[in-house]
Amino acid sequence: ETGVTQSPTHLIKTRGQQVTLRCSSQSGHNTVSWYQQALGQGPQFIFQYYREEENGRGNFPPRFSGLQFPNYSSELNVNALELDDSALYLCASSPGPRAVDTQYFGPGTRLTVL
Amino acid sequence: DQQVKQNSPSLSVQEGRISILNCDYTNSMFDYFLWYKKYPAEGPTFLISISSIKDKNEDGRFTVFLNKSAKHLSLHIVPSQPGDSAVYFCAASASSGGSNYKLTFGKGTLLTVNP
Repeated sequence: ETGVTQSPTHLIKTRGQQVTLRCSSQSGHNTVSWYQQALGQGPQFIFQYYREEENGRGNFPPRFSGLQFPNYSSELNVNALELDDSALYLCASSPGPRAVDTQYFGPGTRLTVL
Repeated sequence: DQQVKQNSPSLSVQEGRISILNCDYTNSMFDYFLWYKKYPAEGPTFLISISSIKDKNEDGRFTVFLNKSAKHLSLHIVPSQPGDSAVYFCAASASSGGSNYKLTFGKGTLLTVNP
């Protein structure tokens, strides 16, 4: 059984650019949640995808968007990058969309915006 | 507005002793709580959870206590081992509400267990 994987590991972009981050969910899981972890902070919920549909969203602007594919892998897209978008982006897969369905995290993608 | 607060950024204990990590929350809708552990360069790993219908949950060396009236929970690790050195995150959810998909995390506490 493979765990949750994310790519790329690190990424450097400049302000105004666009970025796509990828997440492969664990086998048997149909839900992916994305989090942003700024330096010295805890993970902050961006949004969740359940069976290819957005199931809920945190306080992030529309330039943060996502997709989930039929194999339940997922993408996070961020447009018009800002300096404050520099953070560790974590995805977590789970067997269902509820908080009681344990979320298994990937190692994250470190995004630096210059 | 920090709805989940971990007021101790760091904690240092001796191997074999008890580690107690604390967490406070302000949202009275929260009824499901979790602890995650995070090593550097890895994602958070689920440790233990507790529902608000209980006041204690135990799993091996890890016990979580919930005091609903005080809106406080704590994670006890006994005995502490050097491999427990990591950042510990407290998280909460309103499992029966409209946002039952969402976890709200605290800022974390760095635990160092000295040999």
